Amino acid sequence: GQQLNQSPQSMFIQEGEDVSMNCTSSSIFNTWLWYKQDPGEGPVLLIALYKAGELTSNGRLTAQFGITRKDSFLNISASIPSDVGIYFCAGRGNFNKFYFGSGTKLNVKP
Amino acid sequence: NAGVTQTPKFRILKIGQSMTLQCTQDMNHNYMYWYRQDPGMGLKLIYYSVGAGITDKGEVPNGYNVSRSTTEDFPLRLELAAPSQTSVYFCASSSGVGGSGGNEQYFGPGTRLTVT
Repeated sequence: GQQLNQSPQSMFIQEGEDVSMNCTSSSIFNTWLWYKQDPGEGPVLLIALYKAGELTSNGRLTAQFGITRKDSFLNISASIPSDVGIYFCAGRGNFNKFYFGSGTKLNVKP
Repeated sequence: NAGVTQTPKFRILKIGQSMTLQCTQDMNHNYMYWYRQDPGMGLKLIYYSVGAGITDKGEVPNGYNVSRSTTEDFPLRLELAAPSQTSVYFCASSSGVGGSGGNEQYFGPGTRLTVT
């Protein structure tokens, strides 16, 4: 299957700091998605990206679809305690199949 | 609009038992998916369906079966449960329509399964 490498695996930051995480793939994707998962819950969609080079924001979150279509990054500005969770990238491949990164666990110290 | 619903939330099975995990979506989505998530890991695709009557294997289909008799329902069947199937199972759906909004996937709350 297609491999997605997501980094970093985990982050410990202070409230108010900015956060950046990224995802790279061995294959190109037509869509990149970023999800957040809280403990005991299913992933919730944060941002969807549809075109190479696209930069999209959702409140304090900003994500970009890499020009090569093989990478994407997610930035969170001015982090707050409720940002704690696991963030997953996902790429949409052929036949509408989605491939997920292994996640970035974010911890925010108040 | 309930979105994607899954039952049960939790289940403990003995080795060799069978069970069906239920998944229903009320968004009239064509595509439905089953994933498993092992502790500290991402999601692995088990099976998916592009529409009623059509299913296909994902990355980790062994030990599972699915059916899609209606647009709304996509049950996942475990025939002979094994400890390696202890995991959290997520169902998801997507409209599959091209362009913005059509390629997004929505997830259910998950079923936590333990096989002992």
